[in-house]
Amino acid sequence: ELKVEQNPLFLSMQEGKNYTIYCNYSTTSDRLYWYRQDPGKSLESLFVLLSNGAVKQEGRLMASLDTKARLSTLHITAAVHDLSATYFCAVDRKGGDDKIIFGKGTRLHILP
Amino acid sequence: DAGVIQSPRHEVTEMGQEVTLRCKPISGHDYLFWYRQTMMRGLELLIYFNNNVPIDDSGMPEDRFSAKMPNASFSTLKIQPSEPRDSAVYFCASSHRGRREKLFFGSGTQLSVL
Repeated sequence: ELKVEQNPLFLSMQEGKNYTIYCNYSTTSDRLYWYRQDPGKSLESLFVLLSNGAVKQEGRLMASLDTKARLSTLHITAAVHDLSATYFCAVDRKGGDDKIIFGKGTRLHILP
Repeated sequence: DAGVIQSPRHEVTEMGQEVTLRCKPISGHDYLFWYRQTMMRGLELLIYFNNNVPIDDSGMPEDRFSAKMPNASFSTLKIQPSEPRDSAVYFCASSHRGRREKLFFGSGTQLSVL
C-alpha cells in the first residue's frame, strides 16, 4: 500500500526565514505533485515533478524530486505572510492503479 | 472552461437523512476522483472512476456510501443514512490521466451531519 508522509505537519516561522517541507513515499513513483490549500478553499496545483532530479521554482517556492530516495522537498526562501497555507504533496504510483495519494499536509503559518 | 463544479457548497442535515453530493468534471477528462478531508485523517481517497466506470472503491468507509457516474459529465456521492462522523469536506477532482495530468479540484462540499 502506498504511504505518503509529510513533515513537519505544522510549522510556524518568521518572515524572511528559509525552511523546507519534506515528503517521503513508500513505493516507486514517477510523478509527484505539490498543492496549496488556503483555509476554507480548494486545492490549487503548485508543481508537477516528472522525473528524478526534477526541480521546479515559482517565486519563493522551489520543489525537487529524488525518486531513488523516494523523497520530495518544498523549499521556501525568505518567507512572506502570503505563503501561509497548507501544503500537500501527492504521489502518482508508477505502473500502479492510477491512484493519487496525498500526504496529510503541512500547515504553514508565517509570522509578520 | 468552468473547472470542476460541485454542489451544494454547504449541506447541513440531520443524522439518518440521505445526502447526495454532485460533481461535474472538466470536459474531456477521463478520470474522476472523490476525496474526503477531515482534520484527523487528512485527504482520503474514497473512489475513482475511469471513463465512467468505478475502478477502486476500497476507500469508501462503509456500505452507507455509494457513488455513481452515469455519464462523462456527472457524478454523485450518496450517503444513506448519514451519521455525525460523516461530517467533512468532500472534494471531487478530475484529470486527463491518458496525458498523466495533475488533478483539478472542485471547490468542495462542506457537509455537517447533526
